[in-house]
Amino acid sequence: NAGVMQNPRHLVRRRGQEARLRCSPVKGHSHVYWYRQLPEEGLKFMVYLQKENIIDESGMPKERFSAEFPKEGPSILRIQQVVRGDSAAYFCATSRGQENQPQHFGDGTRLSIL
Amino acid sequence: GESVGLHLPTLSVQEGDNSIINCAYSNSASDYFIWYKQESGKGPQFIIDIRSNMDKRQGQRVTVLLNKTVKHLSLQIAATQPGDSAVYFCAVNWGGSQGNLIFGKGTKLSVKP
Repeated sequence: NAGVMQNPRHLVRRRGQEARLRCSPVKGHSHVYWYRQLPEEGLKFMVYLQKENIIDESGMPKERFSAEFPKEGPSILRIQQVVRGDSAAYFCATSRGQENQPQHFGDGTRLSIL
Repeated sequence: GESVGLHLPTLSVQEGDNSIINCAYSNSASDYFIWYKQESGKGPQFIIDIRSNMDKRQGQRVTVLLNKTVKHLSLQIAATQPGDSAVYFCAVNWGGSQGNLIFGKGTKLSVKP
């Protein structure tokens, strides 16, 4: 999928543990978007980041969820104290950032909470 | 808020026929529209996009039509092949922002050989 790399592909956590999801953008892409998808549903926007900045986090739950895109390294979506309801597929998309350019998606991380 | 809907959750077509998948959106300020294809276990794959200054755009075997008057867009797939079987999503930007995309729920396309 256009070079966006997400890892791990599958992640199993017990309730109360932390989950860290990583996203490496397509080379040359400086904008990262995280989405969440429940089975049989469309993707729901969570957060939009540029290098070292959060641009729009209107879709992020107020607690336990955080995201970063450091100057060096991948973007990280972090979920603390996971609960069963966090089970979902989490997708990262990246773009060059110019207005109205397509977002290219990775193959996602499927998070399962035991 | 913005909502994006699809007129039909499933679509079954015969191999070789044309497929039409529809999508409606609610925000008249939206000006960028994308169609994605998602296969099982994979991320959405970009198919084609269209900006609001156009009403039609063609790609390889695909055409997107945009009707801003009724806030409706469609994806047409010519000569549908078994490899086209997937879930198709329309995505709409929110009021001109390059940020988040609003996704429809998806239409599952099944192609019968």
